[in-house]
Amino acid sequence: SAVISQKPSRDICQRGTSLTIQCQVDSQVTMMFWYRQQPGQSLTLIATANQGSEATYESGFVIDKFPISRPNLTFSTLTVSNMSPEDSSIYLCSDRVNYNEQFFGPGTRLTVL
Amino acid sequence: GQNIDQPTEMTATEGAIVQINCTYQTSGFNGLFWYQQHAGEAPTFLSYNVLDGLEEKGRFSSFLSRSKGYSYLLLKELQMKDSASYLCAVRPNTGKLIFGQGTTLQVKP
Repeated sequence: SAVISQKPSRDICQRGTSLTIQCQVDSQVTMMFWYRQQPGQSLTLIATANQGSEATYESGFVIDKFPISRPNLTFSTLTVSNMSPEDSSIYLCSDRVNYNEQFFGPGTRLTVL
Repeated sequence: GQNIDQPTEMTATEGAIVQINCTYQTSGFNGLFWYQQHAGEAPTFLSYNVLDGLEEKGRFSSFLSRSKGYSYLLLKELQMKDSASYLCAVRPNTGKLIFGQGTTLQVKP
């Protein structure tokens, strides 16, 4: 499996600010995804990070709020823009190395005050 | 629409066997995944089923019936460290994983 690291591991932010989360994979992967896990909830897919092109967003998520970059096959960023307390959540990067395996990074725990 | 159902909570005794069920209704089917998630940690991959039948991996086994839209995760010889949430996820025709709400398993001595 590809090892996934995320930075920062946690942050506390003020309302109205933005935070960029970085995801680094130690080998080239075909697909990378960003998920959100709100307190006590399961995982919800935000978007698919496409290498060299715009991300594909799921219903309820928009690029202005969650801009995503993926400049190469091993790195992606997710920005949470103009944050509000409702954005407090764990944000997880995920990769698919093979069709039958999909792994998750350690997550970024975000608290918005 | 896509729907995945799991029991919210289960309790079992150390050393016992527990079966966690998952039913799904999705637009197409391209595999079912089980993940374990300890509190405050990321999900860890447990199993993948795409064909009917039982896949065994040590103390954990996963079963799939595509015709019934049904899977279960079987945990044998339960240990206290098995206390965690277990997430069922399905990959429909979109190719993207959709997660159930998760089952919180508490193992008691």
